[in-house]
Amino acid sequence: DAKTTQPPSMDCAEGRAANLPCNHSTISGNEYVYWYRQIHSQGPQYIIHGLKNNETNEMASLIITEDRKSSTLILPHATLRDTAVYYCIVRVDSGGSNYKLTFGKGTLLTVNP
Amino acid sequence: GAVVSQHPSRVICKSGTSVKIECRSLDFQATTMFWYRQFPKQSLMLMATSNEGSKATYEQGVEKDKFLINHASLTLSTLTVTSAHPEDSSFYICSASRFESGDRNEQFFGPGTRLTVL
Repeated sequence: DAKTTQPPSMDCAEGRAANLPCNHSTISGNEYVYWYRQIHSQGPQYIIHGLKNNETNEMASLIITEDRKSSTLILPHATLRDTAVYYCIVRVDSGGSNYKLTFGKGTLLTVNP
Repeated sequence: GAVVSQHPSRVICKSGTSVKIECRSLDFQATTMFWYRQFPKQSLMLMATSNEGSKATYEQGVEKDKFLINHASLTLSTLTVTSAHPEDSSFYICSASRFESGDRNEQFFGPGTRLTVL
């Protein structure tokens, strides 16, 4: 399984963009990069995922480097409610329609007023 | 859409008793459900993967006789912690996955169940 490396914590001012980096230098060609977040004492929430191309949805943007060895999750206008642990995960395909998500320690993003 | 519920949200029990946690996919059929455990200040650890109508696949180090998983329908999976002890106190989270064509195979997570064993 490709492992990911994320900074343990980051701070961001409310209203500014939050850029969360992730290294996944051992990612293989058919593995996707997924981002989830977990607000305290809640279940994780899916944010975005991608394979090669940059992706954008209503929550965030995902920038994947050309060599796919790293990516950045961008929250364009962070709010206090975005304070959470953000997990960058490389998806393992365990066969057929099933797959496992292996959670690392993630990055605790604290959005400050 | 894609809502997953868990019941109960919190449970406190005495040591030696068994506790059942339910995980339901409310608006979709889940081909696969996953059970995770999260200790304080730690990340989620996958315990087991279950497919409807078949036996669960447990991760290394997880006792299958202690953590009984039943996935009897496409919308319900249950985790029973048998003879619970204080060290089983944790945050238990389930997720449900539905197969879709192409690259989409998301996991949708429940809100979690806080188990405290006295």
